[in-house]
Amino acid sequence: NAGVTQTPKFQVLKTGQSMTLQCAQDMNHEYMSWYRQDPGMGLRLIHYSVGAGITDQGEVPNGYNVSRSTTEDFPLRLLSAAPSQTSVYFCASSYESGRAGGELFFGEGSRLTVL
Amino acid sequence: AQKITQTQPGMFVQEKEAVTLDCTYDTSDPSYGLFWYKQPSSGEMIFLIYQGSYDQQNATEGRYSLNFQKARKSANLVISASQLGDSAMYFCAMREGPEGGTDKLIFGTGTRLQVFP
Repeated sequence: NAGVTQTPKFQVLKTGQSMTLQCAQDMNHEYMSWYRQDPGMGLRLIHYSVGAGITDQGEVPNGYNVSRSTTEDFPLRLLSAAPSQTSVYFCASSYESGRAGGELFFGEGSRLTVL
Repeated sequence: AQKITQTQPGMFVQEKEAVTLDCTYDTSDPSYGLFWYKQPSSGEMIFLIYQGSYDQQNATEGRYSLNFQKARKSANLVISASQLGDSAMYFCAMREGPEGGTDKLIFGTGTRLQVFP
């Protein structure tokens, strides 16, 4: 049971480069989301999706793009990387959006450094 | 606006003792959910416990219990009989809006717990 799989686990970019963080889940979860974790700030929501074809912005969406063409995949795109996007990124999913006690299942995280 | 506050940057506890990690929240929505997650040094986020705003009893999961005081807007995590493996970062989080809505979580800044022998 793979759960939520993120790739790559580590990435170094130069300012202005673009890249895509991949996220896949094999639990048939409706809800998927991306968070970033910065020192001293906890996790902040970037984008989320309540199902295939539906996405919406979270707290810190600027500089990031998402799409949800399938239930399983929810990639996060950095269009033009900036040093402020240096962070650890977590993808998460849950079975039923808002279900009582329905915890988010997190991937292992992707550590991104932008030089 | 919804907010989660964890005022303890770090806590120390001796093995086998109980420890309470504080969490207060602010929301004007009568329906919400509260979560605790553990993040060990390896970095993954591990779900520990959940409390719904309408739940009458405090949630418990093994050695974890959530001391839910709705009037005070607090949702403290109690770990009984601490173990060395409990050393980690602990995050309190709140789901915005009612059950059946989205799973958008707001996280606190975390408390680093260190358990010593």
